[in-house]
Amino acid sequence: GENVEQHPSTLSVQEGDSAVIKCTYSDSASNYFPWYKQELGKRPQLIIDIRSNVGEKKDQRIAVTLNKTAKHFSLHITETQPEDSAVYFCAAGSDSWGKLQFGAGTQVVVTP
Amino acid sequence: ETGVTQSPTHLIKTRGQQVTLRCSSQSGHNTVSWYQQALGQGPQFIFQYYREEENGRGNFPPRFSGLQFPNYSSELNVNALELDDSALYLCASSYRLNTEAFFGQGTRLTVV
Repeated sequence: GENVEQHPSTLSVQEGDSAVIKCTYSDSASNYFPWYKQELGKRPQLIIDIRSNVGEKKDQRIAVTLNKTAKHFSLHITETQPEDSAVYFCAAGSDSWGKLQFGAGTQVVVTP
Repeated sequence: ETGVTQSPTHLIKTRGQQVTLRCSSQSGHNTVSWYQQALGQGPQFIFQYYREEENGRGNFPPRFSGLQFPNYSSELNVNALELDDSALYLCASSYRLNTEAFFGQGTRLTVV
């Protein structure tokens, strides 16, 4: 079955710096890679996703890259702001995008 | 803000009891997935329902069961509750199998 590993588990950055979170997956059939942001006590919110036929996708300060050969995908947040502080989860799916395997999460803390 | 709603928001049950959690999917969504999120961990896939049929199941015992109604709302039932069942239970709905999944706010279940 699918196994998604996520690193680092915690990430502290100064406001304005960049943050990078990396994930690896094991199932070659995976073709959909979403990223969710979860604030304390709230629901996971989809912030960006990428499909296997695309290598990179950007949405304002957030970008995701995918290396299918290496089975790696990464989230990049530029110009971090205090409101970016949250837990970020990567996930991978194949035959259904609601049937996801999640990473363990990265606690991002942005200090002013 | 998504249209996925779950009830109840919090629940306390005694070990050995049974519990039913409910999820109303976003309007027009025919796919509902259920996840268990233990404290400090990523969501774990329980099962998915697509047009009232189970469409895949994660590594959870048979005492976790569910169903989906003609209006695409869904229930998660857990029998013979164990202490380790204490977690946040999330449902996510999708317009179709291969479209983005949006999460509800979750039900916090505590088993004592």
